[in-house]
Amino acid sequence: AQKITQTQPGMFVQEKEAVTLDCTYDTSDPSYGLFWYKQPSSGEMIFLIYQGSYDQQNATEGRYSLNFQKARKSANLVISASQLGDSAMYFCAMREGLGTDKLIFGTGTRLQVFP
Amino acid sequence: DVKVTQSSRYLVKRTGEKVFLECVQDMDHENMFWYRQDPGLGLRLIYFSYDVKMKEKGDIPEGYSVSREKKERFSLILESASTNQTSMYLCASRVSTEAFFGQGTRLTVV
Repeated sequence: AQKITQTQPGMFVQEKEAVTLDCTYDTSDPSYGLFWYKQPSSGEMIFLIYQGSYDQQNATEGRYSLNFQKARKSANLVISASQLGDSAMYFCAMREGLGTDKLIFGTGTRLQVFP
Repeated sequence: DVKVTQSSRYLVKRTGEKVFLECVQDMDHENMFWYRQDPGLGLRLIYFSYDVKMKEKGDIPEGYSVSREKKERFSLILESASTNQTSMYLCASRVSTEAFFGQGTRLTVV
Protein backbone atom coordinates (compact mmCIF):
# COMPACT_ATOMS: atom_id res chain seq x y z
CA ALA A 1 0.00 0.00 0.00
CA GLN A 2 1.19 3.49 -0.83
CA LYS A 3 2.47 5.15 2.31
CA ILE A 4 2.95 8.62 0.88
CA THR A 5 0.46 9.87 -1.68
CA GLN A 6 0.83 12.96 -3.82
CA THR A 7 -2.26 13.11 -6.01
CA GLN A 8 -1.25 16.11 -8.13
CA PRO A 9 1.20 15.15 -10.87
CA GLY A 10 1.36 18.78 -11.99
CA MET A 11 0.28 22.20 -10.78
CA PHE A 12 0.32 25.67 -12.31
CA VAL A 13 0.40 28.92 -10.36
CA GLN A 14 0.82 32.53 -11.31
CA GLU A 15 3.73 34.48 -9.93
CA LYS A 16 3.02 36.13 -6.54
CA GLU A 17 0.09 33.81 -5.85
CA ALA A 18 0.04 31.13 -3.13
CA VAL A 19 -0.12 27.43 -3.98
CA THR A 20 -0.83 24.29 -1.96
CA LEU A 21 0.76 20.96 -2.81
CA ASP A 22 -1.07 17.99 -1.34
CA CYS A 23 0.43 15.09 0.59
CA THR A 24 -1.29 12.35 2.55
CA TYR A 25 0.46 9.62 4.47
CA ASP A 26 -0.30 6.32 6.11
CA THR A 27 1.42 4.99 9.19
CA SER A 28 0.51 3.25 12.44
CA ASP A 29 3.70 4.43 14.11
CA PRO A 30 2.97 7.18 16.71
CA SER A 31 6.40 8.72 16.14
CA TYR A 32 7.09 9.89 12.61
CA GLY A 33 8.34 12.89 10.70
CA LEU A 34 7.30 14.56 7.47
CA PHE A 35 9.59 16.31 5.01
CA TRP A 36 9.26 18.32 1.84
CA TYR A 37 11.98 18.52 -0.77
CA LYS A 38 12.37 20.57 -3.93
CA GLN A 39 14.14 19.20 -6.99
CA PRO A 40 14.85 21.77 -9.70
CA SER A 41 15.84 20.76 -13.20
CA SER A 42 19.49 20.61 -12.06
CA GLY A 43 18.55 17.44 -10.13
CA GLU A 44 19.75 18.38 -6.66
CA MET A 45 17.44 17.63 -3.74
CA ILE A 46 16.83 20.73 -1.62
CA PHE A 47 15.37 20.31 1.86
CA LEU A 48 12.50 22.72 2.51
CA ILE A 49 10.71 21.93 5.73
CA TYR A 50 10.18 19.31 8.45
CA GLN A 51 7.25 18.48 10.76
CA GLY A 52 7.45 16.02 13.64
CA SER A 53 4.36 14.03 14.61
CA TYR A 54 4.43 15.46 18.12
CA ASP A 55 4.98 19.07 17.07
CA GLN A 56 2.10 21.19 18.27
CA GLN A 57 2.51 23.95 15.72
CA ASN A 58 2.69 23.84 11.96
CA ALA A 59 6.24 24.21 10.66
CA THR A 60 7.19 27.34 8.74
CA GLU A 61 10.36 28.27 6.87
CA GLY A 62 10.23 31.61 5.11
CA ARG A 63 7.67 31.35 2.30
CA TYR A 64 7.08 27.66 3.02
CA SER A 65 4.63 26.37 5.56
CA LEU A 66 3.38 22.89 6.27
CA ASN A 67 -0.35 22.50 6.89
CA PHE A 68 -0.25 19.49 9.23
CA GLN A 69 -3.61 17.85 9.89
CA LYS A 70 -2.81 14.79 11.98
CA ALA A 71 -6.31 13.33 12.15
CA ARG A 72 -6.62 13.49 8.38
CA LYS A 73 -3.03 12.28 7.90
CA SER A 74 -2.22 15.14 5.61
CA ALA A 75 0.86 17.33 5.39
CA ASN A 76 0.29 19.83 2.62
CA LEU A 77 3.00 22.29 1.59
CA VAL A 78 1.93 25.89 1.16
CA ILE A 79 4.17 28.20 -0.85
CA SER A 80 3.24 31.85 -0.46
CA ALA A 81 4.06 34.56 -3.01
CA SER A 82 5.27 32.14 -5.70
CA GLN A 83 8.37 33.04 -7.68
CA LEU A 84 9.51 31.85 -11.11
CA GLY A 85 12.37 30.05 -9.36
CA ASP A 86 9.87 27.88 -7.49
CA SER A 87 9.24 25.91 -10.69
CA ALA A 88 10.48 22.41 -9.83
CA MET A 89 9.46 18.93 -8.69
CA TYR A 90 8.32 18.77 -5.09
CA PHE A 91 8.49 15.60 -3.03
CA CYS A 92 6.80 14.76 0.23
CA ALA A 93 8.55 12.19 2.43
CA MET A 94 7.95 10.41 5.72
CA ARG A 95 10.30 8.99 8.32
CA GLU A 96 8.82 6.18 10.36
CA GLY A 97 10.11 3.66 12.82
CA LEU A 98 12.08 4.10 15.98
CA GLY A 99 15.74 3.28 15.75
CA THR A 100 15.79 1.84 12.26
CA ASP A 101 14.25 4.88 10.66
CA LYS A 102 12.99 4.38 7.17
CA LEU A 103 12.58 7.41 4.89
CA ILE A 104 10.12 7.02 2.03
CA PHE A 105 8.99 9.43 -0.67
CA GLY A 106 5.92 10.17 -2.71
CA THR A 107 5.80 10.33 -6.49
CA GLY A 108 6.15 14.10 -6.59
CA THR A 109 4.31 17.12 -7.97
CA ARG A 110 5.71 19.23 -10.77
CA LEU A 111 5.01 22.91 -10.07
CA GLN A 112 5.15 25.45 -12.86
CA VAL A 113 5.08 29.14 -11.98
CA PHE A 114 4.10 31.46 -14.83
CA PRO A 115 4.48 35.25 -15.07
CA ASP B 1 29.38 22.36 5.13
CA VAL B 2 27.56 19.07 4.94
CA LYS B 3 28.60 16.72 2.15
CA VAL B 4 27.26 13.56 0.61
CA THR B 5 29.39 12.51 -2.33
CA GLN B 6 28.56 9.91 -4.94
CA SER B 7 31.51 8.53 -6.80
CA SER B 8 30.18 9.04 -10.34
CA ARG B 9 27.77 11.46 -11.97
CA TYR B 10 27.28 9.36 -15.10
CA LEU B 11 27.96 5.68 -15.64
CA VAL B 12 27.45 3.38 -18.63
CA LYS B 13 27.69 -0.37 -18.04
CA ARG B 14 26.99 -3.49 -20.04
CA THR B 15 24.29 -6.03 -19.23
CA GLY B 16 25.60 -8.65 -16.84
CA GLU B 17 28.37 -6.51 -15.38
CA LYS B 18 28.79 -6.13 -11.65
CA VAL B 19 28.35 -2.45 -10.78
CA PHE B 20 29.39 -0.59 -7.64
CA LEU B 21 27.90 2.78 -6.72
CA GLU B 22 29.72 4.46 -3.88
CA CYS B 23 28.43 7.05 -1.45
CA VAL B 24 30.44 8.84 1.23
CA GLN B 25 29.18 11.26 3.88
CA ASP B 26 31.28 13.43 6.17
CA MET B 27 28.68 14.11 8.87
CA ASP B 28 29.02 11.02 11.06
CA HIS B 29 25.39 10.12 10.36
CA GLU B 30 24.17 6.68 11.28
CA ASN B 31 21.35 6.44 8.75
CA MET B 32 22.11 6.16 5.05
CA PHE B 33 19.82 5.37 2.12
CA TRP B 34 19.88 4.37 -1.53
CA TYR B 35 17.02 5.35 -3.85
CA ARG B 36 16.33 5.09 -7.50
CA GLN B 37 14.37 7.84 -9.24
CA ASP B 38 12.30 7.18 -12.34
CA PRO B 39 9.84 9.56 -14.06
CA GLY B 40 6.37 9.28 -12.59
CA LEU B 41 7.51 6.94 -9.82
CA GLY B 42 9.27 9.38 -7.51
CA LEU B 43 12.09 8.13 -5.30
CA ARG B 44 11.85 4.48 -4.42
CA LEU B 45 13.84 3.10 -1.50
CA ILE B 46 16.19 0.25 -2.40
CA TYR B 47 18.10 -0.32 0.84
CA PHE B 48 18.94 1.60 3.95
CA SER B 49 21.42 1.22 6.78
CA TYR B 50 21.14 2.45 10.35
CA ASP B 51 24.62 1.46 11.51
CA VAL B 52 27.86 -0.10 10.34
CA LYS B 53 27.23 -3.59 8.95
CA MET B 54 23.48 -3.16 9.51
CA LYS B 55 21.13 -3.02 6.53
CA GLU B 56 17.44 -3.23 5.83
CA LYS B 57 15.60 -3.86 2.58
CA GLY B 58 13.56 -1.03 1.21
CA ASP B 59 10.65 -1.33 -1.20
CA ILE B 60 12.56 -2.55 -4.28
CA PRO B 61 15.66 -4.52 -3.17
CA GLU B 62 15.53 -7.18 -5.91
CA GLY B 63 18.68 -7.21 -8.02
CA TYR B 64 20.61 -5.05 -5.56
CA SER B 65 22.77 -5.53 -2.50
CA VAL B 66 24.58 -3.09 -0.22
CA SER B 67 27.66 -2.87 1.93
CA ARG B 68 28.37 -0.67 4.96
CA GLU B 69 31.79 -1.56 6.33
CA LYS B 70 32.52 1.95 7.61
CA LYS B 71 30.13 4.54 8.97
CA GLU B 72 30.89 7.10 6.28
CA ARG B 73 30.54 4.81 3.28
CA PHE B 74 27.46 3.06 1.89
CA SER B 75 27.83 1.11 -1.33
CA LEU B 76 25.11 -0.10 -3.67
CA ILE B 77 25.93 -3.19 -5.72
CA LEU B 78 24.21 -4.41 -8.85
CA GLU B 79 25.29 -8.05 -8.96
CA SER B 80 24.43 -8.48 -12.64
CA ALA B 81 23.26 -5.28 -14.25
CA SER B 82 20.16 -5.39 -16.41
CA THR B 83 18.62 -2.79 -18.73
CA ASN B 84 15.69 -2.27 -16.35
CA GLN B 85 18.17 -0.94 -13.80
CA THR B 86 18.87 2.07 -16.00
CA SER B 87 17.91 4.93 -13.72
CA MET B 88 19.04 7.84 -11.56
CA TYR B 89 20.43 6.62 -8.24
CA LEU B 90 20.41 8.90 -5.22
CA CYS B 91 22.21 8.39 -1.95
CA ALA B 92 21.17 10.17 1.24
CA SER B 93 22.24 10.37 4.86
CA ARG B 94 20.02 11.58 7.66
CA VAL B 95 19.78 13.10 11.08
CA SER B 96 16.39 13.25 12.72
CA THR B 97 14.96 16.32 10.98
CA GLU B 98 16.80 16.53 7.68
CA ALA B 99 18.17 14.22 5.01
CA PHE B 100 21.13 15.25 2.86
CA PHE B 101 21.48 14.00 -0.68
CA GLY B 102 24.32 13.33 -3.03
CA GLN B 103 24.28 14.73 -6.54
CA GLY B 104 22.99 11.48 -8.04
CA THR B 105 24.43 8.91 -10.43
CA ARG B 106 22.75 8.45 -13.77
CA LEU B 107 23.34 4.81 -14.66
CA THR B 108 22.71 3.49 -18.14
CA VAL B 109 22.86 -0.26 -18.73
CA VAL B 110 23.27 -1.22 -22.38
